Amino acid sequence: SAVISQKPSRDICQRGTSLTIQCQVDSQVTMMFWYRQQPGQSLTLIATANQGSEATYESGFVIDKFPISRPNLTFSTLTVSNMSPEDSSIYLCSVPRVAGSYNEQFFGPGTRLTVL
Amino acid sequence: GENVEQHPSTLSVQEGDSAVIKCTYSDSASNYFPWYKQELGKRPQLIIDIRSNVGEKKDQRIAVTLNKTAKHFSLHITETQPEDSAVYFCAASKGGSYIPTFGRGTSLIVHP
Repeated sequence: SAVISQKPSRDICQRGTSLTIQCQVDSQVTMMFWYRQQPGQSLTLIATANQGSEATYESGFVIDKFPISRPNLTFSTLTVSNMSPEDSSIYLCSVPRVAGSYNEQFFGPGTRLTVL
Repeated sequence: GENVEQHPSTLSVQEGDSAVIKCTYSDSASNYFPWYKQELGKRPQLIIDIRSNVGEKKDQRIAVTLNKTAKHFSLHITETQPEDSAVYFCAASKGGSYIPTFGRGTSLIVHP
């Protein structure tokens, strides 16, 4: 399985600021995914990060709020912009466990964000 | 799109008892059903999965069953242990190019 790291592991931020979360994978992957897990809630897909093109966002998520970069096949960033307390969540990146199949998701350790 | 319902939201059992978590899905084209376990403060990890061409799959103390006609699938944990305490998520997917849709999770608490 891939080794995935995320930075920061946790942060406490002020309302109105932005935070950029980094996701690093130890092998090249075509697709990377960003999820949000609100307290006590399920795993909600924010967007799919494609290398060399714009990210594909799910319904309810927009690029202005969650800009994503994917400069190469091992790295991606997710920015949470103009934060409010409702953005307090765990943010996880994931990659497919098997190349070419998105069925099995292998998750990073997550970034726990608290917005005051 | 796919909709996955999961019950119960919380399940409390005594050590040694069995635990059953149930999920239903809406899209009859879904054919892959993974289960993830998320221990407190850790990442979700795949523990078992089942594909639509089988009705049951076992791995030691855990098993999954699938009823395609009724569009529901279940996770069974026997002889529960305190280390089974975690949040369990079911999910459904239509195949390799489709990203799974997750249920809302079940918090399983196993009392020693």
